[in-house]
Amino acid sequence: AQSVTQLGSHVSVSEGALVLLRCNYSSSVPPYLFWYVQYPNQGLQLLLKYTSAATLVKGINGFEAEFKKSETSFHLTKPSAHMSDAAEYFCAVSARSSYKLIFGSGTRLLVRP
Amino acid sequence: EADIYQTPRYLVIGTGKKITLECSQTMGHDKMYWYQQDPGMELHLIHYSYGVNSTEKGDLSSESTVSRIRTEHFPLTLESARPSHTSQYLCASSDPGTGPHNEQFFGPGTRLTVL
Repeated sequence: AQSVTQLGSHVSVSEGALVLLRCNYSSSVPPYLFWYVQYPNQGLQLLLKYTSAATLVKGINGFEAEFKKSETSFHLTKPSAHMSDAAEYFCAVSARSSYKLIFGSGTRLLVRP
Repeated sequence: EADIYQTPRYLVIGTGKKITLECSQTMGHDKMYWYQQDPGMELHLIHYSYGVNSTEKGDLSSESTVSRIRTEHFPLTLESARPSHTSQYLCASSDPGTGPHNEQFFGPGTRLTVL
């Protein structure tokens, strides 16, 4: 069975600092991996996804993530945080044989001025 | 503009009432999903549909039911609401294309409070 673990329910960074949100997955075969962002009182929006092409995936709003099979990780990074990045971020995994997404518990990103 | 809509956005009702949460999408997607999300928690899949007249229960047991009579419409119904049903409900759809790597598009959600 697949699962996703997001380390840190809250991450706080200063504006302009590096953002690093951690995601580890459990899967017997390389899955598809996704990062979604949720702003207050809104649905989820896709930031980026890994589908077994390039291991370094670039997404919207300057975010990127690197798939590391040896570490079963798919951490999300952004070189310089902006106040508008403050939101809830969810990592999700999908088996190659299923359309269903399994979500992590989410990480709330706080950006300090 | 292609989009996915949910109504109502907020609903406060009393115990025992029957409610229907509406979800519609204009993208022609075959696959649609309902998730339940408690505050600060992960999303749990409660229902999904891979096409008209096709519905399945998700990974989290739910007392709600769904129907899929038209491609664009996927309503969720609670016959008798209880305080334990208080949560946010998110509807999503995905492209009928080639694989599970396709993005799921989410509606804005319905925040339900049962008193």
